[in-house]
Formats: sequence, C-alpha cells, structure tokens
Amino acid sequence: AQSVTQLDSHVSVSEGTPVLLRCNYSSSYSPSLFWYVQHPNKGLQLLLKYTSAATLVKGINGFEAEFKKSETSFHLTKPSAHMSDAAEYFCGASGGYQKVTFGTGTKLQVIP
Amino acid sequence: DVKVTQSSRYLVKRTGEKVFLECVQDMDHENMFWYRQDPGLGLRLIYFSYDVKMKEKGDIPEGYSVSREKKERFSLILESASTNQTSMYLCASSLWTAGNSPLHFGNGTRLTVT
Repeated sequence: AQSVTQLDSHVSVSEGTPVLLRCNYSSSYSPSLFWYVQHPNKGLQLLLKYTSAATLVKGINGFEAEFKKSETSFHLTKPSAHMSDAAEYFCGASGGYQKVTFGTGTKLQVIP
Repeated sequence: DVKVTQSSRYLVKRTGEKVFLECVQDMDHENMFWYRQDPGLGLRLIYFSYDVKMKEKGDIPEGYSVSREKKERFSLILESASTNQTSMYLCASSLWTAGNSPLHFGNGTRLTVT
C-alpha cells in the first residue's frame, strides 16, 4: 500500500519569487512519482514524473522536482513564479497496474 | 496527443436515479480509471480496468459499478444516485507499462445529485 501527503493545502507566493510545493510519500517499494497540475475547470495535466533514473527531474513550464529517498520526499520547485502558474497541484505515486494514489492537493496562489 | 473525452461536463440527477458517466479515449490505451475529486480530499480511485471486460475495485467502489465492453470506452454507473455522490468525476487512461506511464485525464464531469 502507498500513501501520499501534500504538506500544504494552500501556498501563496509573489510573482517572480520561488515556488516550493511539498510532497511526502509512503510505500513498501520504490514507486513511480508524479506531479500533475489542474487549472480551473480542467482535467489534470502531467508536469513531470520520476521513474528511478535521475533523482532531479525536470518538467514542463520550468518546474522540477527532486526525489530524496532518505526523506521519502518529492518536492516540486520553480525558481520564479508566473501568474499562469496559479492552479492546483497534485502529487501522485503509482504501484501495480498503473494505480496512482494522489495527495489532497495544494492550491498555488500567485500575487502580482 | 491523447484525448480523453467525457461525454458530459455537467449533470444534475435526482436521488435514486441510475446514472451513467461515459468516457472515451482515442489512443488505444489498455488502462482506464475513474476518480472522484472532492475539496480537501484530492482524487480518490473508484474503479479501474486494465483490459476489456476486466475491472478492479479502487479505494472507494461502494455505490458504483463500471463497464468496459470496448477498449476505448469506460463507463461509470451509479446504480441509485445519492446526494453524497455529488462530486467531480475524472476519467483517465494510460498505457500498459510497469508503473511509470502517466495518466491522461479528461476534463471531468461535475455531477450534482438533488
């Protein structure tokens, strides 16, 4: 069984400042890890995924995430927030049959 | 680009009605999923299917059933809708690989049960 914990339900940053969205996972084996973004009234779109290759994963729109096995974390970062980054972000972990378990989501607010 | 299409964007149904939510994908994906999304609870897996006529229960299957008669179509059925099934329902598909194939989501169906 696996679980995913997103540590912040809301994060607010000023435009142009760094973004940090935190995710911890619990799994009995090495899972595949994902970050998805959801803009209002849309489905989820894949930002990036970790699949046991490089621990630093680069995704779309300047986002990246670092897998830290010792901390069971997979935090999402971006050096400089843009207004278009305002959305809800979901961390997910997958096991067999592609079954993905998601965290409860983090809403990112970007202040102009 | 993979396209996952959910037939209805908004649905309003009455308590006790039988409700069908339809999902179609156009990329020959083996796996299909139904999630529900509720504020503060994130996405929770209802059912999934890894082949035609195959189905597996997810984390919250009670009150739901599914049908997969064709590879591209995965239907979610609420046998007797209840108000606690008011939610956003998201369909997704993925390729059959060893755990690292990303999900492709539809835009969701917002169901209100009155």
